Amino acid sequence: AQSVTQPDIHITVSEGASLELRCNYSYGATPYLFWYVQSPGQGLQLLLKYFSGDTLVQGIKGFEAEFKRSQSSFNLRKPSVHWSDAAEYFCAVGARGNAGKSTFGDGTTLTVKP
Amino acid sequence: GAVVSQHPSWVICKSGTSVKIECRSLDFQATTMFWYRQFPKQSLMLMATSNEGSKATYEQGVEKDKFLINHASLTLSTLTVTSAHPEDSSFYICSARGQSTDTQYFGPGTRLTVL
Repeated sequence: AQSVTQPDIHITVSEGASLELRCNYSYGATPYLFWYVQSPGQGLQLLLKYFSGDTLVQGIKGFEAEFKRSQSSFNLRKPSVHWSDAAEYFCAVGARGNAGKSTFGDGTTLTVKP
Repeated sequence: GAVVSQHPSWVICKSGTSVKIECRSLDFQATTMFWYRQFPKQSLMLMATSNEGSKATYEQGVEKDKFLINHASLTLSTLTVTSAHPEDSSFYICSARGQSTDTQYFGPGTRLTVL
C-alpha cells in the first residue's frame, strides 16, 4: 500500500528566507508524486508533479521539488518565500495505472513572518 | 484550463435532511472523479472514486448508502449526503481526471454544516 509522510506539521520562516518542506513516500515502484497548496477554506491547487524523467521538477509560484529514489523523498523547495505563500501544503503519491488514486500526507502548515 | 467547480460552496441543513453537492469539470471531460472529505486541520480522506457511467467504488469504511455518488456525464458528478447528521459536517472536495492524464484537478470544496 502507498503512504506519504510529511514530518513537519508546522514550519515558520521569515519572508525572503528559503524554504524546504519534507515529504517521504512508500510505494512499491516508481510513483507519481505531487505537491499541492491549500489556502484556508479553499480547494487544492497543484504546484508541481513528477511522473518520470528529470528528477528536479519546476512548478508554479517559484517552487521546485526533487525526486530522490534512494531516499524515497520528494521535498519541496523555494529560494525566497513571500508572505502570500502562507498556506497548507500537501504531498501526495499516486499509483500508476490505478485510476489515478492518490494518497495524501497530513500536510505542513507554513507560516511566514514579516 | 482544467477548471473544476463545486456547488454549493457552503450549505447548512437540519439533521435528517439530504444534501446534494455537484462537481463539474468546466473545460475538459472527466472520465474519473474523486470525492474527498477533510476535517479541520487534517488531510484529505478519499471517500470514493467514480467513473462516468458506472457505479462508484467506495473506500473501506465509507457507507455507500449514506454517501450516494452519481457520475452521469463526463462533466458532472454529484455526492448526496442522505439523512445527514452533525457528524457528517465537514469540508467535501471533489477532483476530476481526464482520460489522457494522471493529474487530478480539484474543486474549491463545499463546507457542509449539519445542525
